[in-house]
Amino acid sequence: GDSVTQMEGPVTLSEEACLTINCTYTATGYPSLFWYVQYPGEGLQLLLKATKADDKGSNKGFEATYRKETTSFHLEKGSVQVSDSAVYFCALSDMEYGNKLVFGAGTILRVKS
Amino acid sequence: KAGVTQTPRYLIKTRGQQVTLSCSPISGHRSVSWYQQTPGQGLQFLFEYFSETQRNKGNFPGRFSGRQFSNSRSEMNVSTLELGDSALYLCASSFEEGSGYTFGSGTRLTVV
Repeated sequence: GDSVTQMEGPVTLSEEACLTINCTYTATGYPSLFWYVQYPGEGLQLLLKATKADDKGSNKGFEATYRKETTSFHLEKGSVQVSDSAVYFCALSDMEYGNKLVFGAGTILRVKS
Repeated sequence: KAGVTQTPRYLIKTRGQQVTLSCSPISGHRSVSWYQQTPGQGLQFLFEYFSETQRNKGNFPGRFSGRQFSNSRSEMNVSTLELGDSALYLCASSFEEGSGYTFGSGTRLTVV
C-alpha cells in the first residue's frame, strides 16, 4: 500500500535559520502531495499542496516541489520564525485508493528566539 | 466562510460505553472523512462519506461506524469503548477528490 516517510524530529532551529524537512513517498498511482501543520491543541491546517510531478506548492514562505524521480516532497523555508513552531505532516492522496490521506509520522519543529 | 465544526471538543467516557461525535463540513463540501490521531499510531484514516454513502473505509473494527446526512453533516459512533480508543478524532471535508481536506479542531476522547 501507499506510505509516507518523513524525517524524525524534533528539529530545533534558531530564528531566521533555514528549514528542510524531508519527505519521501511510495505510491502505486499518481498521488497528490500535501503538507499539513498542526499547532498545539488544534486540528490540521493545509500548508501547501502539489498535484503533479514538478509542481511547486508554496504558502507563507514555505515551499515544496513534487519530485517524481526521487519520490520526494521536501518542505523548505528560508528563514523560520518562532511562530512556525508546530508539528508538520507530509501526506499523499492516491485516487487508486479513493479520496483518503495517508500521513507521515509528523515532524516536530521548535524554533528558538 | 465557516470552517469545519466538530462537537464536542472534549469528552470523557467509561470503558464499555458508546459515544457519538459530530461534524459539520464547510458549506458546499460533500465529502467528509474521519481520522484518528494517537501518539503511538499517528494519523489513521477511519472512513469517508460522500453524498450520504460510505465511499472508503480504513482498517478499524466494526465498533467504529459513521453516517452522513443529506445536509452533509456527519457523525461517527464508537461502541463498547476501550481504553485504546482514547485519541483525538479529526473530521475533514473536501470539495472534490485530490483538492485536499480542511480539518476541524477535533474531538479529544478520553476513555477511563
